[in-house]
Amino acid sequence: QVQLAQSGAEVKKPGASVKVSCKASGYTFTSYGLFWVRQAPGQGLETLGWMSIYNGNTNFAQKFQGRLTMTRDTSTSTAYMELRSLRSADTAVYYCARPHSGDSGPFNIWGQGTRVTVSA
Amino acid sequence: EIVMTQSPETLSLAPGERATLSCRASQSVSTDLAWYQQIPGQAPRLLMYGASTRASGVPARFSGSGSGTEFTLTISSLQSEDFAIYFCQQYSDWPLYTFGQGTKLEI
Repeated sequence: QVQLAQSGAEVKKPGASVKVSCKASGYTFTSYGLFWVRQAPGQGLETLGWMSIYNGNTNFAQKFQGRLTMTRDTSTSTAYMELRSLRSADTAVYYCARPHSGDSGPFNIWGQGTRVTVSA
Repeated sequence: EIVMTQSPETLSLAPGERATLSCRASQSVSTDLAWYQQIPGQAPRLLMYGASTRASGVPARFSGSGSGTEFTLTISSLQSEDFAIYFCQQYSDWPLYTFGQGTKLEI
């Protein structure tokens, strides 16, 4: 079945970087874009940005410009999200999510989430 | 950025009752509106898209309505598994989709 499997929980110190992976299975990886969404403890959902799996193009929310990178490896059907210069406000569960069709639309497939804790 | 506002923050109802959840957009999103259900500790699950189309496998007791800036999710007769947190999402402003802050549906 269609699945997104994410890497395990991370604990980082302020100022460090974190790289989360998202491995796709059950569909043609390059036929859909991928979004990254985060959820701080007890909070709502926030979209970090989008990546075209087809050509690697990206589009990020303004607040993450300069410290967010999204990449992919089509040979292993894996996408990556790297966030640098971490601060305590980045503590959250990070999800990869696939849109319903192509590069846009609601997210019908979600990874299980990766908890990232930023603490000194 | 399109701001999504949900109400109420918390809704306390009994099994068998009807639930009505609201979502308002700060500008028109046409019908590019989705609803998600989240059980604590799990990823969100897509319930509704296009404001009124049920996602695959979603029971018929869930229905959605609205267009423009005002939207409603209705659960006709609450089952025990429906008590969760519900989020609305606009996907009109690509790719910076925004979510409401959530409505907690509790017994």
